[in-house]
Amino acid sequence: GDSVTQMEGPVTLSEEAFLTINCTYTATGYPSLFWYVQYPGEGLQLLLKATKADDKGSNKGFEATYRKETTSFHLEKGSVQVSDSAVYFCALIGGYQKVTFGTGTKLQVIP
Amino acid sequence: DVKVTQSSRYLVKRTGEKVFLECVQDMDHENMFWYRQDPGLGLRLIYFSYDVKMKEKGDIPEGYSVSREKKERFSLILESASTNQTSMYLCASRQGTTTDTQYFGPGTRLTVL
Repeated sequence: GDSVTQMEGPVTLSEEAFLTINCTYTATGYPSLFWYVQYPGEGLQLLLKATKADDKGSNKGFEATYRKETTSFHLEKGSVQVSDSAVYFCALIGGYQKVTFGTGTKLQVIP
Repeated sequence: DVKVTQSSRYLVKRTGEKVFLECVQDMDHENMFWYRQDPGLGLRLIYFSYDVKMKEKGDIPEGYSVSREKKERFSLILESASTNQTSMYLCASRQGTTTDTQYFGPGTRLTVL
């Protein structure tokens, strides 16, 4: 079945550092790929998405590119802020409309 | 603004009690979902529904049931709560295609004593 693997956390960075959170996937066909963010005490909200190979999703300074050849969708941000501290989930929607989530990566940004 | 609401943010129940978790969405979405979120395990799908009165088992349906009598409302039922059902429960909704965004409620933190 479909699966999503993302890097273990927690990730601790200083403010203005460069962020990469790795995400790889296994799926049949051509899934849509998503990054969701969960701030403390809240539900998940969509951060960005890409629906076909080579698409780049971007939002709030975050970017991720759908790489079919490496089955990856790594999340990047050039300069993180304290307000980016949250848990980040990589996800895909494959066949049968089912969403598969990674286990989440906690990011902590310190001033 | 899109909205998914859940009936409670925090709930404490006793072992053996019947528990109802309610979820309402105002976006006229076809698909609705119930997940549980546990540390180190991410989100796991319990049940989903793609239409009124329709339901499908997810990855971990044991011990749960669901009801969808109206399009906007999707209920999760714990027939006889157990301590291993202590968790964060998240409801979500989505329109019909695989490219559509899934919208989440704020979650219900359920503790079973």
